[in-house]
Amino acid sequence: DSGVTQTPKHLITATGQRVTLRCSPRSGDLSVYWYQQSLDQGLQFLIQYYNGEERAKGNILERFSAQQFPDLHSELNLSSLELGDSALYFCASSPSHGEQKLFFGSGTQLSVL
Amino acid sequence: LAKTTQPISMDSYEGQEVNITCSHNNIATNDYITWYQQFPSQGPRFIIQGYKTKVKNEVASLFIPADRKSSTLSLPRVSLSDTAVYYCLVGDAGNTGRRALTFGSGTRLQVQP
Repeated sequence: DSGVTQTPKHLITATGQRVTLRCSPRSGDLSVYWYQQSLDQGLQFLIQYYNGEERAKGNILERFSAQQFPDLHSELNLSSLELGDSALYFCASSPSHGEQKLFFGSGTQLSVL
Repeated sequence: LAKTTQPISMDSYEGQEVNITCSHNNIATNDYITWYQQFPSQGPRFIIQGYKTKVKNEVASLFIPADRKSSTLSLPRVSLSDTAVYYCLVGDAGNTGRRALTFGSGTRLQVQP
């Protein structure tokens, strides 16, 4: 158990809908990272937050947004969903923004039908 | 943007030593090199991290040449349970000047009996 909690574990929705994925980092970790992994694909970095502020941005679509709240949990919002958005979405956390030792959650499997 | 390159796949047999090399020509001065292991439908798990020369822990060794443009993960005496995808991770300076942690495409290691 990495200490990172992601909910829900599975999510099934339809095209055009909006969903919210939630991540609770390990106790004491200030940085949260979001990654997308499509079937048989590598990990695509989406975005990083550190202590409530956006720290780095990857190839995140404009339809996607994220935020980190004062209690350090984070949410990833995906809107106007398309079939191609079906993927595993991982959240990871680390104590600070410069760390490369990340602790990953078990992911949220999103299926867009 | 920094980019990492790894072999797509490797095959080995139980008891053999496996070496997986990652190229990262644009690694930044302050970046560490970190390797992760990922099993299907699970989040990646930290294996080892290093900056230069050699690092060793109970699971693996990491060799980094002086120019730091590549690194080699060495798994001694692999077993069937080492069958997984292995990723190397280095820091990546994005357009905002902030560093995005970008994983490589990963190496799928298949260990045969």
